[in-house]
Amino acid sequence: AQKITQTQPGMFVQEKEAVTLDCTYDTSDQSYGLFWYKQPSSGEMIFLIYQGSYDEQNATEGRYSLNFQKARKSANLVISASQLGDSAMYFCAMREGYRTPLVFGKGTRLSVIA
Amino acid sequence: DSGVTQTPKHLITATGQRVTLRCSPRSGDLSVYWYQQSLDQGLQFLIQYYNGEERAKGNILERFSAQQFPDLHSELNLSSLELGDSALYFCASSAQGTSNQPQHFGDGTRLSIL
Repeated sequence: AQKITQTQPGMFVQEKEAVTLDCTYDTSDQSYGLFWYKQPSSGEMIFLIYQGSYDEQNATEGRYSLNFQKARKSANLVISASQLGDSAMYFCAMREGYRTPLVFGKGTRLSVIA
Repeated sequence: DSGVTQTPKHLITATGQRVTLRCSPRSGDLSVYWYQQSLDQGLQFLIQYYNGEERAKGNILERFSAQQFPDLHSELNLSSLELGDSALYFCASSAQGTSNQPQHFGDGTRLSIL
């Protein structure tokens, strides 16, 4: 079974609008971390935001916030006030335990339209 | 700039050849991870080193090997190359400590097998 599922292969959003990218995960561990990365067309992987399984508050980093619903095992990324530079692939990833490898979803390609 | 340096950025070679990809982690990071990103398989974890020792193995072929040196830089060796090995190879590093430390990725080495 897939550990990380991103059901939206591609999405479009109007500039200045908010967009939600979906991510569901599967784990039986109590301690895990959820990460979102952005991959622009240039190829680099840019860390955006982190949510720990024990964190009670949803993580926020600037225009990025993570809608963490533990019971539903979902960790959706919300980007507010979309900008043209937000157009990229977005990957959700999970780490079970500490200092372990990341498991990635297949990604969502976001296109921001002017 | 993530602080993780990968060389070379691009590599073009032929089937049957051997190549070495190099990674310098962020200053102070003891963990190094190698990932392969291909169109059909997505982002796949290959192998992890922690302070010079192999910590975890993922979907790494027997034709591939890696090591982490005393100065913490790492090399990924790919031999008997096949067309299907064409991919973007990422190195990532993370700090020790709590689980909320993200993995910071290098810009990747794009390997093309002709």
